[in-house]
Amino acid sequence: DTGVSQDPRHKITKRGQNVTFRCDPISEHNRLYWYRQTLGQGPEFLTYFQNEAQLEKSRLLSDRFSAERPKGSFSTLEIQRTEQGDSAMYLCASIYRGGNTIYFGEGSWLTVV
Amino acid sequence: QQQVKQSPQSLIVQKGGISIINCAYENTAFDYFPWYQQFPGKGPALLIAIRPDVSEKKEGRFTISFNKSAKQFSLHIMDSQPGDSATYFCAALAFNFGNEKLTFGTGTRLTIIP
Repeated sequence: DTGVSQDPRHKITKRGQNVTFRCDPISEHNRLYWYRQTLGQGPEFLTYFQNEAQLEKSRLLSDRFSAERPKGSFSTLEIQRTEQGDSAMYLCASIYRGGNTIYFGEGSWLTVV
Repeated sequence: QQQVKQSPQSLIVQKGGISIINCAYENTAFDYFPWYQQFPGKGPALLIAIRPDVSEKKEGRFTISFNKSAKQFSLHIMDSQPGDSATYFCAALAFNFGNEKLTFGTGTRLTIIP
């Protein structure tokens, strides 16, 4: 079963460092989403792509955050100059055009110390 | 702006009982309402979903009831089991309006006790 794959699953980094997360969506899913979830809260939308085009970005996505999906397949989410408030689980999800179900990965946990 | 409101925040139900979680939405453009189940340390997994053209959908022990006029929908878990203990999120999405991103509720932590 090739579901949505995220890497790394856990990352501990020092404040001020840069981190990058990778997401591999389900094959042929042309829409890819990034969400952020903090403890006790529901996932919050960050951004999404259709193929390689980034269609929408949330106000939550500050200038320190950048997401790419260069060939319309995998995506990366980079956080520059991390802050303690960036500590959260970063979720990736995907869906194919015309489908009903958005599938989530297991998430990448970020702890900024 | 909280577009999907979920209650209760936490719920304790005895094994074999019925668990009920409620959600209300504001945006009338929403046309797809899924429920996700999440275990600690895991990503959300789709449990069941409904479109607004039906008032109820049942899959096994899980039922969604949908009230379009009241802009409310609820999840019922019949014969609740300890393995159902998890956090449940309702969500909404507007497929037909090009706003194809999920808006989540705040979650309900469900605990099933023996």
